[in-house]
Amino acid sequence: QVQLVESGGGVVQPGGSLRLSCAASGFPFSGYGMHWVRQAPGKGLEWVAFIRFDGTNKYYADSVKGRFTISRDNSKNTLDLQMNSLRAEDTAVYYCAKWGSWKGAFDIWGQGTMVTVSS
Amino acid sequence: QSVLTQPPSASGTPGQRVTISCSGSSSNIGSNTVNWYQQLPGTAPKLLIYTNNQRPSGVPDRFSGSKSGTSASLAISGLQSEDEADYYCAAWDDSLNGVVFGGGTKLTVL
Repeated sequence: QVQLVESGGGVVQPGGSLRLSCAASGFPFSGYGMHWVRQAPGKGLEWVAFIRFDGTNKYYADSVKGRFTISRDNSKNTLDLQMNSLRAEDTAVYYCAKWGSWKGAFDIWGQGTMVTVSS
Repeated sequence: QSVLTQPPSASGTPGQRVTISCSGSSSNIGSNTVNWYQQLPGTAPKLLIYTNNQRPSGVPDRFSGSKSGTSASLAISGLQSEDEADYYCAAWDDSLNGVVFGGGTKLTVL
């Protein structure tokens, strides 16, 4: 079935790095744009980053620009998020999400992976 | 502070009709389609309404969406206890080159 499964979350100290991964299955991964969306504890949803279906275009939220890098491997059906210089305010559940169409809706979401930035 | 504005809470009794508003600007709702997501407690968000007023397969027709100018709304008729959840509107923003969300509306079924 159509599925997204995130991994790689954990506890990291401020200033540290973490790499999240998202494994896709059940749909032609190489044909769709993908996003990362996060949700801080008790807060709302915040868009983090986007990568075009072929990896040629990437957009980032101002809050993570220059610190986070989104990438994908269409041969392995995986999406990654490299997070550097982590701050306490990056603490959140991170979801990967499939974009159904350009400027469209997130039609498939993963279950999320928790990232805690704390000393 | 979210780019799209939603009321933080809404409530209704079983069987009632409830609406949730979402206000934006010309760079997001005014020029792009609106999508709505439902997040049940402790779970990942789920697509509820896409392209302003379309329901994905499996979403009951009690849920409907509309858009006018720079605002949108989600209506839930025949309210049920299982509708108790957080609801988020979202749209692409041409100025920010990213997706913007509303702050979310917590729906309580009394």
